[in-house]
Amino acid sequence: GQNIDQPTEMTATEGAIVQINCTYQTSGFNGLFWYQQHAGEAPTFLSYNVLDGLEEKGRFSSFLSRSKGYSYLLLKELQMKDSASYLCAVNLYNTDKLIFGTGTRLQVFP
Amino acid sequence: DTAVSQTPKYLVTQMGNDKSIKCEQNLGHDTMYWYKQDSKKFLKIMFSYNNKELIINETVPNRFSPKSPDKAHLNLHINSLELGDSAVYFCASSQGAGGPETQYFGPGTRLLVL
Repeated sequence: GQNIDQPTEMTATEGAIVQINCTYQTSGFNGLFWYQQHAGEAPTFLSYNVLDGLEEKGRFSSFLSRSKGYSYLLLKELQMKDSASYLCAVNLYNTDKLIFGTGTRLQVFP
Repeated sequence: DTAVSQTPKYLVTQMGNDKSIKCEQNLGHDTMYWYKQDSKKFLKIMFSYNNKELIINETVPNRFSPKSPDKAHLNLHINSLELGDSAVYFCASSQGAGGPETQYFGPGTRLLVL
């Protein structure tokens, strides 16, 4: 079966750094996506990791360890607008299928 | 605007009715998807089509029937609606198939079955 775990909720303060973890156990793995979803809106693409290591994109970075079945999304210099759900999704090998985790709801406080 | 669009945005209907949701993408993508997001915000793939051909068909009741008249459109028809069908349905598209392509989501259709 497929299993993707993320914390349900996190809180942080404006200007701080937060790390959202994702662990996965799937039958076949191609890569891992992170999506952001604001309340009442569509998920939007943030990052994609296929190789081990850190991918940096401005204030957001994503890390992958394939051997540990682990990824994290790092958000720096948090802003109020970063309050949203963050969805981890595994792309299964040789398909375009994405298996999503349940998402982590991040609340940023002033 | 280049985007994935869905209609309607909101759909309120009675149990037992039949309804359709339409999706269009003008991104020139080859693959389109339907996802269901339940009240716990869990997003689950239902179907995918590549160039009008069904690729993914998850364990979904056969009351749900996708139809792709061309590669820019993927509609979802639901027969005999049930209370448990209440959810947000997202359409998405990606450039190709069989690999790690970024998927772009439509704004969602909020279905409420009474």
